[in-house]
Amino acid sequence: GAVVSQHPSWVICKSGTSVKIECRSLDFQATTMFWYRQFPKQSLMLMATSNEGSKATYEQGVEKDKFLINHASLTLSTLTVTSAHPEDSSFYICSGGVGFYEQYFGPGTRLTVT
Amino acid sequence: KNEVEQSPQNLTAQEGEFITINCSYSVGISALHWLQQHPGGGIVSLFMLSSGKKKHGRLIATINIQEKHSSLHITASHPRDSAVYICAVRSYSGAGSYQLTFGKGTKLSVIP
Repeated sequence: GAVVSQHPSWVICKSGTSVKIECRSLDFQATTMFWYRQFPKQSLMLMATSNEGSKATYEQGVEKDKFLINHASLTLSTLTVTSAHPEDSSFYICSGGVGFYEQYFGPGTRLTVT
Repeated sequence: KNEVEQSPQNLTAQEGEFITINCSYSVGISALHWLQQHPGGGIVSLFMLSSGKKKHGRLIATINIQEKHSSLHITASHPRDSAVYICAVRSYSGAGSYQLTFGKGTKLSVIP
């Protein structure tokens, strides 16, 4: 149980375009979803936290107008990278949380911006 | 801000060896996660614990709250255990919020 999926798993886009990444909790309802970014050989860094039906809370240094997060239901959250640039190339990981303690990670999405 | 230190950073072991990865943190926590990240990047949550010890198959995780330290043990290691193991701690960040702080990971390579 407690499976989180992400789609797509890998995407290449051109600079200036937008990319949407979906995160779904398949067998549980995630009251909170977290979006992380991981650059090569670095730790995961939290980008934002979202609760179903409310606006996401972004970490310091993360542009909310560039990384649009929508948490429309208890099983789906989306991250849209708008006007992507090569420096946005990274590994994006979501996780779904149940309460304060439980958090289940998705497999990640590798974004390459050319 | 919680500082999370893992050791060792890199570990190479022969198949069958007993492996220990350590994690220390600086601030009191509500829970600690051990995660496994495969070369393709996908993350699997291995354990979540707030006290004592948990076991799953060949994996054992322990935590000592007083010493702010946790260990992940792998018994009878196998090449398929090769991955990066990440410790993450959940601590209270104020105003009713919690944050998850990640260690830099321990890269394990198990040689046949």
